[in-house]
Amino acid sequence: NAGVTQTPKFQVLKTGQSMTLQCAQDMNHNSMYWYRQDPGMGLRLIYYSASEGTTDKGEVPNGYNVSRLNKREFSLRLESAAPSQTSVYFCASSAGRFNYNEQFFGPGTRLTVL
Amino acid sequence: QKEVEQNSGPLSVPEGAIASLNCTYSDRVSQSFFWYRQYSGKSPELIMSIYSNGDKEDGRFTAQLNKASQYVSLLIRDSQPSDSATYLCAVNGGAGGSYIPTFGRGTSLIVHP
Repeated sequence: NAGVTQTPKFQVLKTGQSMTLQCAQDMNHNSMYWYRQDPGMGLRLIYYSASEGTTDKGEVPNGYNVSRLNKREFSLRLESAAPSQTSVYFCASSAGRFNYNEQFFGPGTRLTVL
Repeated sequence: QKEVEQNSGPLSVPEGAIASLNCTYSDRVSQSFFWYRQYSGKSPELIMSIYSNGDKEDGRFTAQLNKASQYVSLLIRDSQPSDSATYLCAVNGGAGGSYIPTFGRGTSLIVHP
């Protein structure tokens, strides 16, 4: 039982390059999330997926796209990376039940855009 | 806009003392409250959840919820250097029924020997 896994762990991109961050969970959770974390800014929600087949924008969606490939997998794509997207990216999952929505986080991807 | 406020710290306590971390929230109808611990360079890890007014104890950790005053706190008894981390407060279930948690920016705790 690996929980939430993310790949890659580290990535360096040049401005304008594209990449996809992968996330998978094996807890049979309905909901999945992508956050970014910057110093002094806390966790900011980029996109989330309440259930398989649905995705919604969070607080900071500009410059990103997501795909909920199946119940297990939720990917985040940067089409044209910018230095402002340098950050640590966390994927999380939860059962999605209204009141008991405890989130479980992956280990994170540290992305640098030059 | 829902807000969750935490003192950024750092909160410095000696080993063996009680560390008290506080969090206030703006949405009066919030239903669920969580504490996450995040070590430097690592991901957040859930350590406590609380849904009803009062205290909830788990080992050295006690979460306290006061919905009337809109605050939730985390007490760490017999603090250890290994407790040194950033503690994130998260709140959900507010107006509109959103289950998406709102996170505070975290309080840095330093436990010194």
